[in-house]
Amino acid sequence: QKEVEQNSGPLSVPEGAIASLNCTYSDRGSQSFFWYRQYSGKSPELIMFIYSNGDKEDGRFTAQLNKASQYVSLLIRDSQPSDSATYLCAFHTGGFKTIFGAGTRLFVKA
Amino acid sequence: DVKVTQSSRYLVKRTGEKVFLECVQDMDHENMFWYRQDPGLGLRLIYFSYDVKMKEKGDIPEGYSVSREKKERFSLILESASTNQTSMYLCASTRKGPQAKNIQYFGAGTRLSVL
Repeated sequence: QKEVEQNSGPLSVPEGAIASLNCTYSDRGSQSFFWYRQYSGKSPELIMFIYSNGDKEDGRFTAQLNKASQYVSLLIRDSQPSDSATYLCAFHTGGFKTIFGAGTRLFVKA
Repeated sequence: DVKVTQSSRYLVKRTGEKVFLECVQDMDHENMFWYRQDPGLGLRLIYFSYDVKMKEKGDIPEGYSVSREKKERFSLILESASTNQTSMYLCASTRKGPQAKNIQYFGAGTRLSVL
């Protein structure tokens, strides 16, 4: 079983819709969770981080964490074509290492 | 703003060459990392360093070495480049301590082709 599982996509949504990206992780000791956005040919940049169960909102982005189910998600409201990118889920278990998923490609159609 | 600078965006090397990839960060971060990114495999950790002259193997260290002589600089060395090392290489840094929240700041990446 992979440490981080993400659907590779592409996930295609129309402009203005809600995009829902999902991620499961295997390590129950995971303490912190991240969503990074990576545009084609560019490096990853942090979108959201979350530590506690529940929802965390930042503008159009909402991260949801359910530690019992080992599940983290990212919702993007009012999706824009500029949101088209690959979204990497990641988690940190302590120590120095952060484990990254392979990413979900999102395509927002104008 | 944190700035992580990788010396080259694109490199083309021959099989067997010794290759140096350089990374410099300007925010006095203690921790630095080298990843490679391949389609469908995500980011895989090659090596990391938590202090000057300190280094730890990541998940795929074979064929690579690193050097950290100064806090701001972390170099990745391919001792004898092979075609299976063709990849995107990403450098990242983080500050030590809980307040840093383990947020990774990435350089722009170096796309290496080994022919």
